[in-house]
Amino acid sequence: KAGVTQTPRYLIKTRGQQVTLSCSPISGHRSVSWYQQTPGQGLQFLFEYFSETQRNKGNFPGRFSGRQFSNSRSEMNVSTLELGDSALYLCASSLGRAQGETQYFGPGTRLLVL
Amino acid sequence: AQSVTQLGSHVSVSEGALVLLRCNYSSSVPPYLFWYVQYPNQGLQLLLKYTSAATLVKGINGFEAEFKKSETSFHLTKPSAHMSDAAEYFCAVSDREQAGTALIFGKGTTLSVSS
Repeated sequence: KAGVTQTPRYLIKTRGQQVTLSCSPISGHRSVSWYQQTPGQGLQFLFEYFSETQRNKGNFPGRFSGRQFSNSRSEMNVSTLELGDSALYLCASSLGRAQGETQYFGPGTRLLVL
Repeated sequence: AQSVTQLGSHVSVSEGALVLLRCNYSSSVPPYLFWYVQYPNQGLQLLLKYTSAATLVKGINGFEAEFKKSETSFHLTKPSAHMSDAAEYFCAVSDREQAGTALIFGKGTTLSVSS
């Protein structure tokens, strides 16, 4: 069974630009969550999508948005990039049926904002 | 709000020594508890999780963790460290009273293993 895949793996953008990251969950998984990892703030929850609906949202500005498609693939968009958005963005998938389920993480997309 | 504290941002042990990584959670209602490991330039891999069955949970690679409600702790141990255990370890919780599967992570503990 293929794992969670994320594209692209690396990305360099400049301040003010926008970026879209993609995540393909494990086959059969309907929940996709996104996390931001930085040296200063650690791992922080961005949002979770289940069956194309945002089920939960972390404490991030509206510049961070996401969506999920009918095949459970998810995209995350960051508009008007700031230097502080440089981070590793991790996507995780799970069945989405119950709390306490294991989330399986992808390798991440490393974003550098110049 | 739920929070997780990992005591010690860096732990160093010798090969063959006991590994003990500490994790404490904040809520009065025991959450779901997880330990993940991250190797350089990789995503997170689940080591083990506690959902409310046995309080001693066994995971992969010889790791185990004990849930202690009275101490609000979920410390990770391994009897004998291997060089390959060098990585960053994260304790995480999922709130039983919140919809969805969002994880709240501790700041992480970097484990170094010397020969």
